[in-house]
Amino acid sequence: EVRLVESGGGLTQPGESLRVSCAASGFTFSSYSMSWVRQAPGKGLEWVSFISSSGTTIYYADSVKGRFTISRDNAKNSLYLQMKSLRAEDTAVYYCATIPSPSGYRSFDYWGQGTLVTVSS
Amino acid sequence: EIVMTQSPATLSVSPGERATLSCRASQTVYSNLAWYQQKPGQAPRLLIYGASTRATDIPARFSGSGSGTEFTLTISSLQSEDSAVYYCQQYNKWPPYTFGQGTKLEI
Repeated sequence: EVRLVESGGGLTQPGESLRVSCAASGFTFSSYSMSWVRQAPGKGLEWVSFISSSGTTIYYADSVKGRFTISRDNAKNSLYLQMKSLRAEDTAVYYCATIPSPSGYRSFDYWGQGTLVTVSS
Repeated sequence: EIVMTQSPATLSVSPGERATLSCRASQTVYSNLAWYQQKPGQAPRLLIYGASTRATDIPARFSGSGSGTEFTLTISSLQSEDSAVYYCQQYNKWPPYTFGQGTKLEI
């Protein structure tokens, strides 16, 4: 059974940093591309970042480029999102999701339960 | 960036009836389109990919159609458990992956 468990969310102040993690199990993590998708309270889904299975290809949404860094540790079956210079508009539930394609041209097949990041003073 | 537009914003349908949800892309995405279901307090769940292929364990009541810029998700024999927000998403031209704003289905 595919399982994705996010952690690391919480309350933080504007301008601060936070790292969220995603622990994967039940599939060959190193063979899957991964993404982070976020959802602000009461709003729709917004793609945040993509990382290929090897970690060599990375993309970001314009809204987070230069502030967020995606990474993965295939030995630990883990995905990370380092967020810095956080803003109130970054407040959202952050989901990690699998993409069963090395090129990224596929849907987000499995999702974690999400971790809530709240940016507020 | 490809803009995805869903209609209607809210749809109310009686149990046992059929619901038809629409999604339009601002430019062609061929068949590189997915549908997700999200219930309150839960993560999204993949229903359909490739515009018409059901994901694992998705009931046959859910069907997708369309290609290019116009897509439809049809849910037949509606059940109360189908109440949710449904999102379409394109993965043809990215980054960024883009989602529609969602259709809230009320049973």
